[in-house]
Amino acid sequence: QVQLVESGGGVVQPGRSLRLSCAASGFALSSYTMHWVRQAPGKGLEWVSLISYHGTNKYYADSVKGRFTISRDNSKNTLSLHMNSLKPEDTAVYYCARDRSGWPFEYIDNWGQGTLVTVSS
Amino acid sequence: QSVVTQSPSASGTPGQRVTISCSGSSSNIGSNSVHWYQQFPGTAPKLLIYRNTQRPSGVPDRFSGSKSGTSASLAISGLRSEDEADYYCATWDDSLSGWVFGGGTKLTVL
Repeated sequence: QVQLVESGGGVVQPGRSLRLSCAASGFALSSYTMHWVRQAPGKGLEWVSLISYHGTNKYYADSVKGRFTISRDNSKNTLSLHMNSLKPEDTAVYYCARDRSGWPFEYIDNWGQGTLVTVSS
Repeated sequence: QSVVTQSPSASGTPGQRVTISCSGSSSNIGSNSVHWYQQFPGTAPKLLIYRNTQRPSGVPDRFSGSKSGTSASLAISGLRSEDEADYYCATWDDSLSGWVFGGGTKLTVL
């Protein structure tokens, strides 16, 4: 079955960087668009970024544009999110999620369990 | 403040029918499909309805979705205590070139 396992979360100081990873199994990562979605403590879901199956097309939420970079290594079945210039408002559980399609994207049909990122001095 | 709005809360008694609404604009709901997710506390969201009205396998037919113009709705009939959760609508926004989630609706089964 589809499994998405996030890692790399933790406590980081404002202005620093962090890299999240998502290990995919149970399906061919190379065939699907992938997303990152976050959820601040006690708040709703916020879409962060998506990357097409081949890595060519990337989209970002305005709140992270210019600071976050999404990437993928299909040979290693891994999705990544590089987060720079972190702010306290980036504190959230970050979910790796699979789209139903390769391209064009359609909708998220599977989610990982999430990894918590806390930005605090 | 999301560009797609949901009532923050809804409630009903067991057996009742409850509707959760999602309101947007021509750049999002008005021109793209709406999808619904269910989330229990401390767990990841789960796909409940896709492409406005479609149910993934395993989702009971008590759950149904609809869309009209710039609004969408999730209906839950025969309400059960285990339906108590947060519900989110989601769609693509052409103006933002990004996905948008509604703020979420917390459903309480009285």
